[in-house]
Amino acid sequence: NAGVTQTPKFRVLKTGQSMTLLCAQDMNHEYMYWYRQDPGMGLRLIHYSVGEGTTAKGEVPDGYNVSRLKKQNFLLGLESAAPSQTSVYFCATSTQTQVSQPQHFGDGTRLSIL
Amino acid sequence: QKEVEQDPGPLSVPEGAIVSLNCTYSNSAFQYFMWYRQYSRKGPELLMYTYSSGNKEDGRFTAQVDKSSKYISLFIRDSQPSDSATYLCAMSLSQGGSEKLVFGKGMKLTVNP
Repeated sequence: NAGVTQTPKFRVLKTGQSMTLLCAQDMNHEYMYWYRQDPGMGLRLIHYSVGEGTTAKGEVPDGYNVSRLKKQNFLLGLESAAPSQTSVYFCATSTQTQVSQPQHFGDGTRLSIL
Repeated sequence: QKEVEQDPGPLSVPEGAIVSLNCTYSNSAFQYFMWYRQYSRKGPELLMYTYSSGNKEDGRFTAQVDKSSKYISLFIRDSQPSDSATYLCAMSLSQGGSEKLVFGKGMKLTVNP
């Protein structure tokens, strides 16, 4: 039982390149989230999904796109990477709304944009 | 004033010490209060979860919520080197169809053997 698995664990990109981060969960949770964590800023919600085929914007959605084609997978895309997107990205899941249910996090993807 | 304030530390204590971690908040509508622990190069993991004011104990950990003062605390008794991590408070609300979950910035704790 892996829980929440993020791939890749680490990546270096050049400005303007694109890439997709994958989050896979085996807990059958409905809700999935993408956060970024930066020093002095804490965790900030980028996008989230309340179920297969649905997505919604979070606090800092600009420059990112997401898709939830399958219940177990939540993809985060960077269309044209910028140095400001250098961060650690975390995926999380919960059984129901994040408000009343604790979240389960993956171990993160460390992304550097040069 | 930010919605959730958490002293980022860092905090360094000797093994066996009692540790107190705190967060204050400004929005009285917050209903759920959580503490997450994050080890280096790992994702946050839920440590404590409370809904109401008062204390909740789990082994060496006690979570305290004081809604009247808008203040939450996490106490660690008999601290161990394995407790060295970053601790994040989080709080959430659901009001009028609107939902919000806000994390504190995290406090880095080191317990020295």
